[in-house]
Amino acid sequence: AQSVTQLDSQVPVFEEAPVELRCNYSSSVSVYLFWYVQYPNQGLQLLLKYLSGSTLVESINGFEAEFNKSQTSFHLRKPSVHISDTAEYFCAVSPWGGSNYKLTFGKGTLLTVNP
Amino acid sequence: DAGVIQSPRHEVTEMGQEVTLRCKPISGHNSLFWYRQTMMRGLELLIYFNNNVPIDDSGMPEDRFSAKMPNASFSTLKIQPSEPRDSAVYFCASSLADTSRGETQYFGPGTRLLVL
Repeated sequence: AQSVTQLDSQVPVFEEAPVELRCNYSSSVSVYLFWYVQYPNQGLQLLLKYLSGSTLVESINGFEAEFNKSQTSFHLRKPSVHISDTAEYFCAVSPWGGSNYKLTFGKGTLLTVNP
Repeated sequence: DAGVIQSPRHEVTEMGQEVTLRCKPISGHNSLFWYRQTMMRGLELLIYFNNNVPIDDSGMPEDRFSAKMPNASFSTLKIQPSEPRDSAVYFCASSLADTSRGETQYFGPGTRLLVL
């Protein structure tokens, strides 16, 4: 089984400041890693994912995450946030193999960007 | 592409009533998921269909919950009888499954259910 811990339930920041949203996971098998974003009153959207290869993955809107296998972490970063980045961010993992459909989500981190 | 479509978007009902939630996945996707989101438990997978067949229903809370997928373009999640503790946001998601890799799941806007 897998578990995901998002260490901060809320992260308030000012516009144009850098931000890091932390995610740690636990699994007895190798996993795929995901960050999903949920804007108010909407469903989740994939932000980025790590399947294999380079441990640094980037999204089209400036977010990046780095897979650190030794620390079992997949922290999400952005060097300069915008008001429009205000949303809830969910880290998730799924196991390699036949059950790779099974996403296990963290509890989410609410990012609030203030002017 | 219209994305995953869910209806209704909001549902208020009284305890004991039957509730039916509906989902239309993205055309061409062969996997469908029902999730429940609550403050206490976060996002939980309820059931997973592949090619219209239920593959994993281990997350379905109890016999009051049932899900069907009669064809590739429609699924329902039914709660009968409903209870206040069923109040949550229910999401449907779909993907084009490739069993060798973690495929992206595309989520609908959700149905916000309140059971009084």
